[in-house]
This record gives sequence, C-alpha cells and structure tokens, in this order.
Amino acid sequence: SAVISQKPSRDICQRGTSLTIQCQVDSQVTMMFWYRQQPGQSLTLIATANQGSEATYESGFVIDKFPISRPNLTFSTLTVSNMSPEDSSIYLCSVESGSEQYFGPGTRLTVT
Amino acid sequence: QKEVEQDPGPLSVPEGAIVSLNCTYSNSAFQYFMWYRQYSRKGPELLMYTYSSGNKEDGRFTAQVDKSSKYISLFIRDSQPSDSATYLCAMTADYKLSFGAGTTVTVRA
Repeated sequence: SAVISQKPSRDICQRGTSLTIQCQVDSQVTMMFWYRQQPGQSLTLIATANQGSEATYESGFVIDKFPISRPNLTFSTLTVSNMSPEDSSIYLCSVESGSEQYFGPGTRLTVT
Repeated sequence: QKEVEQDPGPLSVPEGAIVSLNCTYSNSAFQYFMWYRQYSRKGPELLMYTYSSGNKEDGRFTAQVDKSSKYISLFIRDSQPSDSATYLCAMTADYKLSFGAGTTVTVRA
C-alpha cells in the first residue's frame, strides 16, 4: 500500500483566484492521478501525471484550467486556476501501487 | 448509459444484518474490480480487489464477480455501526478507474 498526504486539507477561495494542491507519497510511484468529486457525486478522473512527461488530461479537462506538475516520483501538484463556484469540489490525489490504486484524504475546496 | 451503474441508496440496516451492494457494468474490457469505502470527509479506502470471476473473502467482507453477467457485489456480514459509509465500486481495463455513483450505507445500533 501507499500513504498519501495532501495539502491543504480544505480552503475557501474567492472566484478568479488560483489554488495549488500538493500531493506527497511515502514511496516512489510511477503513476499519479488527480480526481474530482463534486458534491453528492462519484469520482471523475482529471488527469494522469507521470514523472518526466506532460500530464494526460481526460475529456472535459484542460491544462490551462488544471495545470499539473510532477517534479519527482513522490510528489505532484494540481492547480485550479481562475476559479468559479462550479469548481467547488473535493480534489483527490491517487497513486498506483502494484495493480491497486490508493487515495489521499482529499482537499475540500469552496469557491465563493 | 453509464459504464458503471450503482444504486446510490441510501441503504439503512440494523446492526448485525448482512449488507448487499451491487454494481453492473457495460464494458467487457474491464478486468480488475475494486470496492472502496469512503467515510464522510475522507478519501476512498481500498477494501477489496479482485480480477477473476467468483468470490473473494476478507474477514466480514465478500466480493463477488460475475463477468458473464457483468455484475459485481459486495457483502458485509455482521454489519457494525462503524461500517456506516459510502461504498464505491470501481473497475478498470488498464489503469483508469471507472467508478460507480457510490451507495450510502447506515448501520443502526
């Protein structure tokens, strides 16, 4: 298994601003993932981040809105840019270990 | 049609009852099947992982997969109030997980 931490755990932001979420893993992993979980809904994959390459975004998500960095095998950041109230959600980092995926505790974002 | 269908519930059972959760899927390429438990304001926690048809047991939990019917189940025996959570099924053909909507379960003491 993998132990994953995220910072911040929650934040309240004003529309038009940006927030960077950090994800730290206790072991080296090749693949890291960023998910969004909107209120009352299931998880939606935003992008896959591999170290040393550009992130791969899912349909409906673009790099300008959700830039991702993956500087090494234990760390990644997701930025939510130019936020609007529709971006209010839980953002979750996930890693693949073996053939299983483990999730961080999430970052609860509220945009006012 | 969604790739993965899961009844969102909510489901309320008395302590000690058997909880039965189900998901159906449409993508025949799915090979790996998982159940996650998510407590309120927490990230999903991997409960069960399987890749073959049949049953897999882990303590009070049993995961069942029927690939011919594209149907998976999770059974919780002797349910406890601490089992109250949202249970999400997930499946994948490679590394991208497709999630069900999640079923909210309440076990009443």
